[in-house]
Amino acid sequence: GAVVSQHPSWVICKSGTSVKIECRSLDFQATTMFWYRQFPKQSLMLMATSNEGSKATYEQGVEKDKFLINHASLTLSTLTVTSAHPEDSSFYICSAILDKYGYTFGSGTRLTVV
Amino acid sequence: GDSVTQMEGPVTLSEEAFLTINCTYTATGYPSLFWYVQYPGEGLQLLLKATKADDKGSNKGFEATYRKETTSFHLEKGSVQVSDSAVYFCALYGGYNKLIFGAGTRLAVHP
Repeated sequence: GAVVSQHPSWVICKSGTSVKIECRSLDFQATTMFWYRQFPKQSLMLMATSNEGSKATYEQGVEKDKFLINHASLTLSTLTVTSAHPEDSSFYICSAILDKYGYTFGSGTRLTVV
Repeated sequence: GDSVTQMEGPVTLSEEAFLTINCTYTATGYPSLFWYVQYPGEGLQLLLKATKADDKGSNKGFEATYRKETTSFHLEKGSVQVSDSAVYFCALYGGYNKLIFGAGTRLAVHP
């Protein structure tokens, strides 16, 4: 089946540094990918929609300069958390759309900023 | 706008008990409906789905029926196992390729 590989699964970084999270579709081409953020014991909050070859569409309230999204190929989307601060600590999950009846999710990245 | 409401958790059950997790939705038209499961430290996995009214989605002993008249998509399982302990998310396809999730319901099953 369609698989999305997300890397790294966890990362600890110092405050003020940047962290890149990768999301790869392994056996299909993902024209559209989504990035979610999940706080402990809460639901997923859609941050942005990433379209191959064009700028990402960010949800209201999400800082596009802090959360840089690049979708340069049909199999790779990246999320870079720039100048990370402790409040950016969270679980980030990517997803790719298969069709309107199916989405596949990455295994998530736990980011801890110290 | 479109939204999904789930029963609050946590739900704590003994093994082999019957499970119901309620989910209702608000949407224009008839969206596709989904249940996703998230095991600790992992991403989401599709559990089941229904794409039109009266459809029943089923997988791994879980079932949910798309009820247009009550705008509901309740998740049920006749006999839960410890391995079913996870967080369950109800979701709908909200158009523009977006999934809209409920808040999630944590299920804890003990032996």
